[in-house]
Amino acid sequence: KAGVTQTPRYLIKTRGQQVTLSCSPISGHRSVSWYQQTPGQGLQFLFEYFSETQRNKGNFPGRFSGRQFSNSRSEMNVSTLELGDSALYLCASRTGPPRDTEAFFGQGTRLTVV
Amino acid sequence: GQNIDQPTEMTATEGAIVQINCTYQTSGFNGLFWYQQHAGEAPTFLSYNVLDGLEEKGRFSSFLSRSKGYSYLLLKELQMKDSASYLCAVTNQAGTALIFGKGTTLSVSS
Repeated sequence: KAGVTQTPRYLIKTRGQQVTLSCSPISGHRSVSWYQQTPGQGLQFLFEYFSETQRNKGNFPGRFSGRQFSNSRSEMNVSTLELGDSALYLCASRTGPPRDTEAFFGQGTRLTVV
Repeated sequence: GQNIDQPTEMTATEGAIVQINCTYQTSGFNGLFWYQQHAGEAPTFLSYNVLDGLEEKGRFSSFLSRSKGYSYLLLKELQMKDSASYLCAVTNQAGTALIFGKGTTLSVSS
């Protein structure tokens, strides 16, 4: 059974640009969550999708957005990149209701904004 | 909302026992998770507690007291490979996502 796949693994972008990250969850999992991880702040929750609907959103500006497709794959987009957006972005998949599981993480996308 | 507190760093020696504490405040409790994350790698699941008490899994055990908003992860017979960050997480109020503490970095020395 394949794990959670995130692409790309590494990205370097310039301030002001936008970026799209992709996450393919474990087969059969319908819930996808996104996290930003930085040394000072730890894992911060961005948003969660289930059946193509955003169910929860963390405390991030509107520049951060996401979506989920009918095959449960998810993308997140960051527009007008700032230096402070440099971080490891992690995606986690869970089965979703009625019997939710622990979250399984992908290897992450390391974004560097210069 | 959720508030999760863990010590930032801990050190221990090989063969020893270490206890990593986690206190939490949450408006809706659906379980507490512990994850391990080695540097440069993804977090991996260690344990899940939804009822009070101790869950043992090999060298690792996790304890939960819901009335006290308290959990701990107990690591026995420490090995060098246990040097990692240990993350405590609770589900958000809707139960739809995990909210993490900032993690405890454990350094194991010989």
